[in-house]
Amino acid sequence: DTGVSQDPRHKITKRGQNVTFRCDPISEHNRLYWYRQTLGQGPEFLTYFQNEAQLEKSRLLSDRFSAERPKGSFSTLEIQRTEQGDSAMYLCASSVRGSFQETQYFGPGTRLLVL
Amino acid sequence: AQSVSQHNHHVILSEAASLELGCNYSYGGTVNLFWYVQYPGQHLQLLLKYFSGDPLVKGIKGFEAEFIKSKFSFNLRKPSVQWSDTAEYFCAVNADTGRRALTFGSGTRLQVQP
Repeated sequence: DTGVSQDPRHKITKRGQNVTFRCDPISEHNRLYWYRQTLGQGPEFLTYFQNEAQLEKSRLLSDRFSAERPKGSFSTLEIQRTEQGDSAMYLCASSVRGSFQETQYFGPGTRLLVL
Repeated sequence: AQSVSQHNHHVILSEAASLELGCNYSYGGTVNLFWYVQYPGQHLQLLLKYFSGDPLVKGIKGFEAEFIKSKFSFNLRKPSVQWSDTAEYFCAVNADTGRRALTFGSGTRLQVQP
């Protein structure tokens, strides 16, 4: 399978705990994106990387959220001191850097439930 | 900032009926437009996209969409739906603002009855 992969697929945690998600993009895709999707809504952008550089962050990305892409390949998204409002599907997407015209390909997501 | 509106939240059709899902965006400049589909239990998949050129674009599984710049619309169509088209459909846009993020609509849930 050469698509975007995410791990874990499901995570249940207690409020106040830290969680970390991993995303492996499509090979040779140098752009990587994180989105969050809540029930009944479309995905909302969180942040994106070009290679290892984090180039854009949404206002949705509070101080409790941090994302890394240390070697320009896989990425991690960490949420510290989780809150019930963090319960959502966290989606990763990747694309190849090119002109303005690019297509993002999505992974299966990590569904987070904060109790 | 751009926004995307999908006015049909839930659509129920019988097999062989024609489908049109509305999508409107708010941005006056150059845009890229996408329709993604999410089948039950599966991840978001690209259905079709418009970058430039012919405003009528064809995608997978018999879907097509028409970009009408004057109406800021990118409606999705299929002449005859199948039960297997039951899914959630998302319209998305990114604009020539330098930002790479996609802005999604809230989605349309399509239910096709056999």
